[in-house]
Amino acid sequence: GNSVTQMEGPVTLSEEAFLTINCTYTATGYPSLFWYVQYPGEGLQLLLKATKADDKGSNKGFEATYRKETTSFHLEKGSVQVSDSAVYFCALSDKGTYKYIFGTGTRLKVLA
Amino acid sequence: NAGVTQTPKFQVLKTGQSMTLQCAQDMNHEYMSWYRQDPGMGLRLIHYSVGAGITDQGEVPNGYNVSRSTTEDFPLRLLSAAPSQTSVYFCASSYGGTHQETQYFGPGTRLLVL
Repeated sequence: GNSVTQMEGPVTLSEEAFLTINCTYTATGYPSLFWYVQYPGEGLQLLLKATKADDKGSNKGFEATYRKETTSFHLEKGSVQVSDSAVYFCALSDKGTYKYIFGTGTRLKVLA
Repeated sequence: NAGVTQTPKFQVLKTGQSMTLQCAQDMNHEYMSWYRQDPGMGLRLIHYSVGAGITDQGEVPNGYNVSRSTTEDFPLRLLSAAPSQTSVYFCASSYGGTHQETQYFGPGTRLLVL
């Protein structure tokens, strides 16, 4: 079945450090891929998405590229800020279904 | 627009009690869903609906009922609460059910079952 695997957290970085959060997926067909972010005490909100192979999603300095050959959708940011501290979820939605599959989430802590 | 709203924000139940978690959206979205969030397990789909009058089971439906009588509302009913249902519950909606759609989440309901 479909699944999403993302790196264990927490990830602790200093402000202005480079961020990578790994995400790989297993799916039949060609899913859409998403990164959602959850700030403390809030619901999830979309950070970025990509709907086909080689697409790059980007938002607020975050980027992720849909890599079909490696079944990956790694999240990157060149310079993190304290305000980026949150939990990040990788997710997929397979064509032909109405269901999202979420990863377990990666907590990011950015220290000033 | 209020987006997706959920009530209550926090609830304590005793084992065996029943309750309904409310979810409403004002974006005229066809697709709505319920998830539970547990530590180390991410979000798991409980039930979903692709339109008024149509619902289906997700990954973890046991112990929960849903109905969708209007486009706006999608309540989740716990029939007989168990400690294993202690969790944070999120409702989400999207314009359609296609695989490219962004889901919009409510702020969550934290449930504790004693």
